[in-house]
Amino acid sequence: DQQVKQNSPSLSVQEGRISILNCDYTNSMFDYFLWYKKYPAEGPTFLISISSIKDKNEDGRFTVFLNKSAKHLSLHIVPSQPGDSAVYFCAASSRGSTLGRLYFGRGTQLTVWP
Amino acid sequence: DAGVIQSPRHEVTEMGQEVTLRCKPISGHDYLFWYRQTMMRGLELLIYFNNNVPIDDSGMPEDRFSAKMPNASFSTLKIQPSEPRDSAVYFCASSFTSVADTQYFGPGTRLTVL
Repeated sequence: DQQVKQNSPSLSVQEGRISILNCDYTNSMFDYFLWYKKYPAEGPTFLISISSIKDKNEDGRFTVFLNKSAKHLSLHIVPSQPGDSAVYFCAASSRGSTLGRLYFGRGTQLTVWP
Repeated sequence: DAGVIQSPRHEVTEMGQEVTLRCKPISGHDYLFWYRQTMMRGLELLIYFNNNVPIDDSGMPEDRFSAKMPNASFSTLKIQPSEPRDSAVYFCASSFTSVADTQYFGPGTRLTVL
């Protein structure tokens, strides 16, 4: 049973515009959330994270928003660039649990076109 | 610093053969994870180790799969005998101090079983 869901398998955005990738989770014990980016023939690379004590974390063009009541997080990329074209994975964990581990969504393929 | 190293990058074998995938985690990381990525199931956690000890192998699909970590800098994932449905990309990842913390992935091994 998927505890982390990315309901949009793909997203297409024009260069310079905003990309918004969404992620939903079901386990209220999750308190740490991450986004990974994956290019073809490479492993996922860590992009940005957020702890449940915050509702926003920013790193350059990338911002992650967390809505705990809705169990929803999103990744905003502004402005989008063709090099951002990749698969983006959302992940979540319960750091407060000794048995917690990362749970991954199925990924969203982002395509940024010129 | 070198990231997670995996070998081989590509493996093509025939059904029934033994396959061994290798991983060297980031130095100083206490946790090592093996994942499998397929189109059907996305990124699945197979097994993870803490300080070289297997902690959770509930994701290992069958007895044909086994994993070892003889020391802090080396792990293997073995499939014996291999089957066509084992064809996938296998990733190794490591994390520093917690199973729920940020994980750093290797480039993956693309396995094709004919």
